[in-house]
Order: sequence, then structure tokens, then C-alpha cells
Amino acid sequence: AQSVTQLGSHVSVSEGALVLLRCNYSSSVPPYLFWYVQYPNQGLQLLLKYTSAATLVKGINGFEAEFKKSETSFHLTKPSAHMSDAAEYFCAVSSMNYGGSQGNLIFGKGTKLSVKP
Amino acid sequence: NAGVTQTPKFRVLKTGQSMTLLCAQDMNHEYMYWYRQDPGMGLRLIHYSVGEGTTAKGEVPDGYNVSRLKKQNFLLGLESAAPSQTSVYFCASSYRDRGRGYTFGSGTRLTVV
Repeated sequence: AQSVTQLGSHVSVSEGALVLLRCNYSSSVPPYLFWYVQYPNQGLQLLLKYTSAATLVKGINGFEAEFKKSETSFHLTKPSAHMSDAAEYFCAVSSMNYGGSQGNLIFGKGTKLSVKP
Repeated sequence: NAGVTQTPKFRVLKTGQSMTLLCAQDMNHEYMYWYRQDPGMGLRLIHYSVGEGTTAKGEVPDGYNVSRLKKQNFLLGLESAAPSQTSVYFCASSYRDRGRGYTFGSGTRLTVV
């Protein structure tokens, strides 16, 4: 079975500071990994994804994430936070090998990012 | 613009009333999903569909029914609404290859009083 754990339901950073949102996963087969962002009163938008190519994945708005198999992690980072980054971020895992329900994305509970001026 | 469209965006129901949420996608995606989002609970899968005419239960299916009569539409029904069904509902769609990710609608905020 697959699962996702996001450490920290709330993270607060100052504008210009490093953003680090943590995601650990468990999967018995090679995973697909995703980060989604949800701005207030909106749906989820794909930020970036890992699908077995480069382990360092670059996404929109200056975000990137690194797949570390040995640590079963896929942490999201951004060198310098902007006020517009305030949102909720969701990590998700799926399986490369399965169709049907076994390939469904499993979402973490989310991390709400606040950016202080 | 291509994407997932949900209607309505807001709805208030009285306990015991019924309603249907409509999701439409124009990306020719094979799979479609209904989620509910509650504070601190993340996204929980209600039902999903892997193709026209087929549906399956997710994590929290009780109290909901779904239908997918056309590939582009996925309907979520509440036969007898309860206050516990107050939530924000999201529809999503994807190709069979989930590595391409999901596309989400903008949500329906439902309040049951």
C-alpha cells in the first residue's frame, strides 16, 4: 500500500526566506510523485511531478523538488519566498506500474504556507 | 480553455434534500474522480470512474452515488443530505497513465443546514 506524510500542517516563513515543505512517501513499487498547490477558494493546480526522469524536478513559480529514494522523500523547496506563495501545498504519490484503483493518487493532508512581510 | 468545469459553485441544502453536482471535462480523459475536502483531513476520494458506464467506490462513498453516462461527464448525487456532508467537493480527471497527473475543477462549496 502507498501512503504520504507531510510533516507540518502549517509552515511560516518571512518574505525572501527559503521555503522547505517536507513530504515522505511509502511505496512498494516505483512511484510517481507530485506536488499540487491550492490558492484560497480555488482548485488544486499541478506544481511539479517526478516520473522517473531527472531526480531534481523544476516546477512553476520557482519551486523545485528532489526525489531521494534512499530517504523516501520528495521535499519541495524555493530559494526565496514571495507573498504570492501563500497557499496550501499537497504532496501525492501514485504507482508507475498499476492501473485501476491501484494507480490512484494518494494525497497527503496538506501544508499551509504563510509568508510574513 | 480546456479543463474541468464544476457546477454549481455554491449550494445550501436543508437536511434530507437531494442534489446533483455536475463535472464536465473536455480533455478526453479516461478517468474521473470526486473528492471532498475538509479542514485537516486533506482530500478524500468519494468515487471514481475508469471509463464510461463504470464507477467504483473510494475511501468515503457512503451517502453518495455517481454516474458516468458520457465520457466527459461525471455526476455526484446526494440522495438525502446530512450536515456531515457539508464540505468542499472537487472533481478531477486524468489519463489512464496517472503519471501525467490530475486536472482539478474549482470546487463546489456545499452547506447542509
